[in-house]
Amino acid sequence: DAGITQSPRHKVTETGTPVTLRCHQTENHRYMYWYRQDPGHGLRLIHYSYGVKDTDKGEVSDGYSVSRSKTEDFLLTLESATSSQTSVYFCAISESLRQRNTEAFFGQGTRLTVV
Amino acid sequence: SQKIEQNSEALNIQEGKTATLTCNYTNYSPAYLQWYRQDPGRGPVFLLLIRENEKEKRKERLKVTFDTTLKQSLFHITASQPADSATYLCALGGATNKLIFGTGTLLAVQP
Repeated sequence: DAGITQSPRHKVTETGTPVTLRCHQTENHRYMYWYRQDPGHGLRLIHYSYGVKDTDKGEVSDGYSVSRSKTEDFLLTLESATSSQTSVYFCAISESLRQRNTEAFFGQGTRLTVV
Repeated sequence: SQKIEQNSEALNIQEGKTATLTCNYTNYSPAYLQWYRQDPGRGPVFLLLIRENEKEKRKERLKVTFDTTLKQSLFHITASQPADSATYLCALGGATNKLIFGTGTLLAVQP
């Protein structure tokens, strides 16, 4: 399995509180992604990173921010959690070797419940 | 905006038959397309990648086609087995490696 770890794996938080999810990789891959997965919506891209300090928004970025201060860590922050952000969050990593795209490897997921 | 559509209804087939899953997209010109398998409670796992200049790719019992004119990919599992039951996701990527997923299709293979 690719060396990718998400933490925490489960979290329950109250509406209005800030929450940070962490994704850590040991593969030295350039690209990192945060997705959320909800029934009927599949995987939706929140933010992705194409290098240290280089990030871009995905299709559902409102209410989320990210930071990548070093290659191995990609943090996802919910500044003020809302119930609509209850979801399963997946981190993924990928690489592009000599202009050849490779597959994405996914973490185990974080189940976040906002009450 | 970019849109990727997969069969929203579950696909039920008999063991030994060929399963065919569809991925259609609009407002996008991907450089490549990927297929993933996802089991309950787990993250997706990569199966196959096909590039825009390729028509077909095979890997064991899996076959993927990619028609950039129709904006469609077909994913085939031949001689399907109950162990193939899972959700299958297609994903599109471009030069920036920004990876966008479809909603997925649940495949159930009946023994």
